[in-house]
Parts: sequence; C-alpha cells; structure tokens
Amino acid sequence: DAGVIQSPRHEVTEMGQEVTLRCKPISGHNSLFWYRQTMMRGLELLIYFNNNVPIDDSGMPEDRFSAKMPNASFSTLKIQPSEPRDSAVYFCASSLRDTDNYGYTFGSGTRLTVV
Amino acid sequence: KNQVEQSPQSLIILEGKNCTLQCNYTVSPFSNLRWYKQDTGRGPVSLTIMTFSENTKSNGRYTATLDADTKQSSLHITASQLSDSASYICVVSSQAGTALIFGKGTTLSVSS
Repeated sequence: DAGVIQSPRHEVTEMGQEVTLRCKPISGHNSLFWYRQTMMRGLELLIYFNNNVPIDDSGMPEDRFSAKMPNASFSTLKIQPSEPRDSAVYFCASSLRDTDNYGYTFGSGTRLTVV
Repeated sequence: KNQVEQSPQSLIILEGKNCTLQCNYTVSPFSNLRWYKQDTGRGPVSLTIMTFSENTKSNGRYTATLDADTKQSSLHITASQLSDSASYICVVSSQAGTALIFGKGTTLSVSS
C-alpha cells in the first residue's frame, strides 16, 4: 500500500491566489482528516470526513478555506484567496473509523508558502 | 476542555543515553493514547497505541506507559540513536470514531 498520498509536496504562491491541496487516502479507510501544522500551534484539526461526509469543520479558520471529498479515494482542501498567515504544513490522514481509528496514517504533508 | 500537555518542550541527549518524555491529558471519556514520531519534513508515524486496560507497550527501543487513573503517559527511549532525533507527539482519542487530540510535541535531539 502506498499510504496516504498528498500533492503537491511544496507550494509557493502569491497572496490572493487560489491554492488547492490534494489527498488520496488509504484504500478501504472511511475517515479522512485535514490538519495544519505550525511551530506555534502544533497540529490543528481543520476538518474531517466519515464516508465522504464532512462531520466536523469547526477547525476551518474562515470562509477562505473549503474542503471536499467527492469520493472515497480523493479529497481537496482549497484556500481562496490565500494569505501569508496561511503558510504552514498541511497534512492529510485517513483511518478506519469503525475500529477506533486504528490504522490512523498521515501523509507526508504539503508545505505551503504564501508570499 | 480536552487537552494534552507534553514535557519537556525540547530535549538534547548524547547518543546511547536513555530518556523519558511525559504526557498529561484531561481528555474524557478516554478511548486510547498514541505516541507518534515525526521526522523533520515528514508526517507523523505511529509508535504505540494503548487502550484504557493497557499500562505498557513496547516497540523496539520505545516503551510507552499509561496510568489512566492519573491521566499520565510516558515514552521511554532506550540506548538512543542519532535517528531518534525527531518530534514526539502524544495523541489522545476521546471516544471511538472521533478525531484525535494532539499535544504540541517534544523535540528530541540526539548528538554524538
């Protein structure tokens, strides 16, 4: 299994531009999570899905952030418009919800820099 | 409020030495506790996971303990290696099927 696959690994964009981060969860996992990691705040949960349905998006910073999961094998996190304070590493993780989150696996992350 | 606190924030040790990292949590109801290792530029990787009834679990040179009564956990690293240099994150699940609550991590540096 290739694990959780995120793309791109690095993204540099100008303030105001739209940014789309992508995630492919492990096949068979039915929960998917988006996190943001900064030095100051550590790992913060942004949103998570169960069976492609958003369950908790209370961590999404503001309306500029949106996430979708159109099917069980793909999710996107979009920032529009991007701002310098959005610079961080964004991680996607997936797990088997019904087994108490066993198999919880992180992707390698996308390092976003907004200049 | 559900919280996970880790100490120390950072630690420097010599190669070959042992060390212990601490984790205190206030998460309730408790489901399980995990320790993750995160190398620089990589995603966190699971080291151990313990449920309420387990009080110790090992993974090679890593041994985690859990005291569910005092809501404390520790991660002991034996005979440290340079490759142990990483951030170690304590994570608690409040109940089955929900998102996890993360500590801010302890940054360990092993020097030769």
